[in-house]
Amino acid sequence: DAGVIQSPRHEVTEMGQEVTLRCKPISGHDYLFWYRQTMMRGLELLIYFNNNVPIDDSGMPEDRFSAKMPNASFSTLKIQPSEPRDSAVYFCASTSRGWRGWGVLTFGAGSRLTVL
Amino acid sequence: KQEVTQIPAALSVPEGENLVLNCSFTDSAIYNLQWFRQDPGKGLTSLLLIQSSQREQTSGRLNASLDKSSGRSTLYIAASQPGDSATYLCAVSEGGSEKLVFGKGTKLTVNP
Repeated sequence: DAGVIQSPRHEVTEMGQEVTLRCKPISGHDYLFWYRQTMMRGLELLIYFNNNVPIDDSGMPEDRFSAKMPNASFSTLKIQPSEPRDSAVYFCASTSRGWRGWGVLTFGAGSRLTVL
Repeated sequence: KQEVTQIPAALSVPEGENLVLNCSFTDSAIYNLQWFRQDPGKGLTSLLLIQSSQREQTSGRLNASLDKSSGRSTLYIAASQPGDSATYLCAVSEGGSEKLVFGKGTKLTVNP
């Protein structure tokens, strides 16, 4: 498996523009998580899905943020309109849970967002 | 709400030293605890996963222990090498949910 795939790897945009980040989880994983990492706040969970259904979006900072998972192999995180304080690295991660317990949480390489 | 603390924030050691990284958490009702490594500008790589029913896990020179009752985990690195230099993060599930809460990490530097 190619692992968790995120795109774009780097995005530079101007304040007010729409940003869409994409994620392809590992095949067979039924949990998908979106995290944001900054120097000040560390890694923060934004939202997570189970079987394509959003379970907890309490970490989404504002209504400007939205996430979807239309099928088991694709998820998007959208910011509209973007603001400079949204600048961060956004990670997607996936895992599964079986009878033996939880699997390893596998992260993508991240999308570095800079909002000017 | 689960809170995860890692001490120290940074650690510098000479090559060959054995070392211990600490992780503490406030809610003992966890599903699992995971240790990750992050190299500068990179994503996170899983090192060890401890299920709630387990006390420790080992992989090569790494050993992680879990004491749920005291809310602590330690990551032991034997015979450290310069290639071990990275930030090590501890993540713990939040009680009753699948959410993983991360500590701020310990930045390790192993000097040749």
